Amino acid sequence: AQSVAQPEDQVNVAEGNPLTVKCTYSVSGNPYLFWYVQYPNRGLQFLLKYITGDNLVKGSYGFEAEFNKSQTSFHLKKPSALVSDSALYFCAVRATYSGAGSYQLTFGKGTKLSVIP
Amino acid sequence: GAVVSQHPSRVICKSGTSVKIECRSLDFQATTMFWYRQFPKQSLMLMATSNEGSKATYEQGVEKDKFLINHASLTLSTLTVTSAHPEDSSFYICSASPSTGELFFGEGSRLTVL
Repeated sequence: AQSVAQPEDQVNVAEGNPLTVKCTYSVSGNPYLFWYVQYPNRGLQFLLKYITGDNLVKGSYGFEAEFNKSQTSFHLKKPSALVSDSALYFCAVRATYSGAGSYQLTFGKGTKLSVIP
Repeated sequence: GAVVSQHPSRVICKSGTSVKIECRSLDFQATTMFWYRQFPKQSLMLMATSNEGSKATYEQGVEKDKFLINHASLTLSTLTVTSAHPEDSSFYICSASPSTGELFFGEGSRLTVL
């Protein structure tokens, strides 16, 4: 069975500093990994995904994530944090096939990012 | 990216009534949609997989008679919370996947049962 761990419930970072939100995963076979962001009382917005290819994946809003197979990690990063980046971040791994090209995702518990002005 | 629309965004109802939440894929067809429930400060819990033209597949522990799912067309799935009770109050989110593989999510529906 697939699983995702986000070891930090909350990450605080000063505006302008680099940020990292950690994610490790467990999956049989090749991992398909995703990051989503959720603002209060909103749905999830897709940030980026790793399917294959370069280990460093670039996504929306200046975010990037580094896939590390040996450490089974997929940490989310941004060189310079903005106050508007404050939100809840979810890491996810593709789980079971549900037909017609659709897959369920297994989500981590989420990490609340607070960027301090 | 693809757009998934969810309606209503907020609903308040009395205990014992039923509430319907709609999920639409606006610019793609989705033979499969997913319904999640999110408790405060927690992750998303998959409730069921909605399959167009057939019965939904429910996750273990989810009451299919309480949470009725209908996937009537390739762009619409509905979740009906029947005989709602205060413990059903939650944030419900749907998602769908176009052929590109990643899931796109609706904006969520906040249900409050009085």
